[in-house]
Amino acid sequence: ETGVTQTPRHLVMGMTNKKSLKCEQHLGHNAMYWYKQSAKKPLELMFVYNFKEQTENNSVPSRFSPECPNSSHLFLHLHTLQPEDSALYLCASSQEIFTDTQYFGPGTRLTVL
Amino acid sequence: AQSVTQLGSHVSVSEGALVLLRCNYSSSVPPYLFWYVQYPNQGLQLLLKYTSAATLVKGINGFEAEFKKSETSFHLTKPSAHMSDAAEYFCAVSDVNAGNMLTFGGGTRLMVKP
Repeated sequence: ETGVTQTPRHLVMGMTNKKSLKCEQHLGHNAMYWYKQSAKKPLELMFVYNFKEQTENNSVPSRFSPECPNSSHLFLHLHTLQPEDSALYLCASSQEIFTDTQYFGPGTRLTVL
Repeated sequence: AQSVTQLGSHVSVSEGALVLLRCNYSSSVPPYLFWYVQYPNQGLQLLLKYTSAATLVKGINGFEAEFKKSETSFHLTKPSAHMSDAAEYFCAVSDVNAGNMLTFGGGTRLMVKP
C-alpha cells in the first residue's frame, strides 16, 4: 500500500453504536490530521497530531475521540453520534506539521441513522 | 481569522474551453496558497502550491494559478478543459497567525460538457 489509506470506506451506524475509523500513512510523515467534510460546508479540521502528540482539538464534541498510537496510524473512535455527524471523514498526513503539503486519504463516508 | 472565498459553487464549461476557478483570501501577510482537486469518492489531491517564489505556479494536469497580492487572489486556470477535469476544486490558505493551519474554501464543482 502507498500513500494514505482509510478503512472502512463506508460506515452506517446507529446513534447508540460505537465504531472506529482507521487511517494509515505509508509516507514516513510526522503529522496526521482528521478533517470533516459535510455537504455545503468547507472542510473542517478536527484534530492534529505531531509525532504522536495531539496539538489541535478544534472544539470537537467529546463523542469523537482520536487516538494516535504511532506516527503511521491514526484512529477516530465514535460513540453516541448524532445524525448531523454524517459526513465524509478525511485523514491526511504531512512531513512537517502544517507547513508541508498534506496528503489525503480517500475518506470514510459515515452515515448515522 | 483567515477566510477563503471561492466564487461560484458550480462552474460549467464546454470541453476545450478555458477553465477559470476563482479564489480570494483575507490576509495581510502573503500566505502559502494551495489548490486541491477531489474526484468522486476520493480524497483531496494537491494540484499546485504557492510558497512566495514565482507568482505564476504550474501544477499537474495542465493547471496553473497566479498569485496577485494586490487583489488577494489565487485563481486557477486551464487553457482547455477535458472531460476528466470534472471534479470539485478547493482553494486553501495557510494561516500564519494560527500556526499555518489550513483554511479551506467552500469548493467549486467543475462540470465539463461534451
